[in-house]
Amino acid sequence: QVLLVESGGGVVQPGRSQRLSCAASGFTLSDYGMHWVRQAPGKGLEWVAVIWYDGTNKYYADSVKGRFTISRDNSKNTLYLQMNSLRAEDTALYYCARPQYSSGWNDAFDTWGQGTMVIVSS
Amino acid sequence: ESVLTQSPGTLSLSPGERATVSCRASQSVSSSYLAWYQQRPGQAPRLLIYGTSNRATGIPDRFSGSGSGTDFTLTISRLEPEDFAVYYCQHYGGSPTFGQGTKVEIK
Repeated sequence: QVLLVESGGGVVQPGRSQRLSCAASGFTLSDYGMHWVRQAPGKGLEWVAVIWYDGTNKYYADSVKGRFTISRDNSKNTLYLQMNSLRAEDTALYYCARPQYSSGWNDAFDTWGQGTMVIVSS
Repeated sequence: ESVLTQSPGTLSLSPGERATVSCRASQSVSSSYLAWYQQRPGQAPRLLIYGTSNRATGIPDRFSGSGSGTDFTLTISRLEPEDFAVYYCQHYGGSPTFGQGTKVEIK
């Protein structure tokens, strides 16, 4: 069974850091590019970042560029999102998502985790 | 980067009725890179349609997609109780973008 399980969310003060993890099982993580997508409470979906299957390329939404870093450890079947300089507007449910086939991008997301909630508040 | 605008924002229909959701792109996009997702309350999004008109694995044939250029449509031929949810279009050529969502609610 293909499964993605996010963790690491919680309440964090503005300006502080948080690291999210996404544990993959049921497939070979190193075959796929991987994404983070977020959803603010009561709002729509916002793509955050992508990392190529081998970690060589990373791209970010303008809203997080320079503050967030996506990474992966294929030996541990785990995807990460390091979030620095957090702002109130980063409050959201963060999903990791796997594309159908792609090792990079240009592919729809057929597998999603259940999400981990990050609340940025003092 | 193309901005996707969905309409209507909310669609109020009865079970058994036909639902049509529109997604308009601010500039022409490749139909190869247009997807639709369903999100039920408290759940993660689920891929319904990719490449404009291809149903994802396990998706019933009452869901269909069409369109090209800047105008795309998701159609649900006969609404089942489990279809009342929020639907998002997505363009995934390059940096992915999503529409703002359309809620299909029970009338």
